[in-house]
This record gives sequence, C-alpha cells and structure tokens, in this order.
Amino acid sequence: ELKVEQNPLFLSMQEGKNYTIYCNYSTTSDRLYWYRQDPGKSLESLFVLLSNGAVKQEGRLMASLDTKARLSTLHITAAVHDLSATYFCAAGPQGGSEKLVFGKGTKLTVNP
Amino acid sequence: DTAVSQTPKYLVTQMGNDKSIKCEQNLGHDTMYWYKQDSKKFLKIMFSYNNKELIINETVPNRFSPKSPDKAHLNLHINSLELGDSAVYFCASSQAGVGSPLHFGNGTRLTVT
Repeated sequence: ELKVEQNPLFLSMQEGKNYTIYCNYSTTSDRLYWYRQDPGKSLESLFVLLSNGAVKQEGRLMASLDTKARLSTLHITAAVHDLSATYFCAAGPQGGSEKLVFGKGTKLTVNP
Repeated sequence: DTAVSQTPKYLVTQMGNDKSIKCEQNLGHDTMYWYKQDSKKFLKIMFSYNNKELIINETVPNRFSPKSPDKAHLNLHINSLELGDSAVYFCASSQAGVGSPLHFGNGTRLTVT
C-alpha cells in the first residue's frame, strides 16, 4: 500500500531564507503532485512531476522528483510572507489508478 | 467561472440528521472525487467516479452514499450524522490518465453537534 510522508510538518522561517520540504513515498509511483492550501481555502495545484529527474519551477518554488529514491522535494528560495500556507505532496500508485495518497502537509510560516 | 463548485459551504446540523452536499464541475473532466479533510488537515479519499461509474470506494461507513447523475455532478448524502463526521469535505475533478492534477472545490465545512 502506498504511503506518503512529508517532513517537516511545521516550518517557520524568515523572509529571504531558503528551505526544502521533503516528500517520501513507499512504493513505486508514476506521478507526484504538489498542492498549496491557504487557511480555510481550497487546494491549488502547483506542480505535476511525472518522470525521474523532473524539475519544475514557478517563482520562488522549485519541485523535483527522484523516482529511484522515491523522493520529491519542494525548494523555497528567498521566502516571502505570501508563501505562508500548507503544502501537500500527493503520489499515485503505479499503473494509473486515480487514487492519490496525500502527505500530512507542511505548514509553512514565513516571518518578516 | 467557477471550475468545481460545491454547496453548501457550511453545514451545521445535529447528530442523527441526514444531509447532502452537491458538487458540479464545468471543466469537462470525466472523473470526480470526494475527499475528507480532518481537523489535523489530513486528506483522505472517500470515493471516485469515472463517467458515472464508481471506481474508488474506500473504507467509509455505509452511512455515506455518493451519487453521480452525470459526469459533471457528484453528490454526497450522509445518513444518521455522527460527531466524528465533522470535517471539511472537498469535491475534486480530473481528467483520467497519468498526469492530470486534481481540481478542488472550495470545500464544505460540516459541523455535527
């Protein structure tokens, strides 16, 4: 059974600093997603990673996927307050099942 | 234009009541989902329909019954509500196939008193 673990679960950082959120998954997966959720709001899709070595960047966020290590990372560069949110990774079992398994989320707080 | 819309946004009700949540998507997707987010923000899939056919049915009490009248709509009916049902319920849709992200609705916050 596919399990997804994120760490850290809570992250408090200062503006301007860099940090990385890690997402490990337990069995072979053919797709990895990152979502953002603001308090009381819906989930917004950030990145879709489909192949080993995939790297995607949007603004100060960069996501990568290492399928051999079963690891995805979300790197934050020069954090700003607007990035404060909860970030979720989700993986899908190999074979295209529509059942995504989500990590527990990382609550990011960026302090001025 | 709202892509995935669900109603109501808030639902406060007493134990033992029956309630429904409705969801509609205008993205032309063929797959729809119900997810439950608990108080610790943990997201778990409950059901998924592809073109009106149930394809995912997780271990959910049979008090929960989804219905998909067509591929643009997915409703969730809950009988005999319990305190533990309090959560945020998210509807989502996607196009089946590897790589399509989920598009989530704004959620329905259900509070059972």
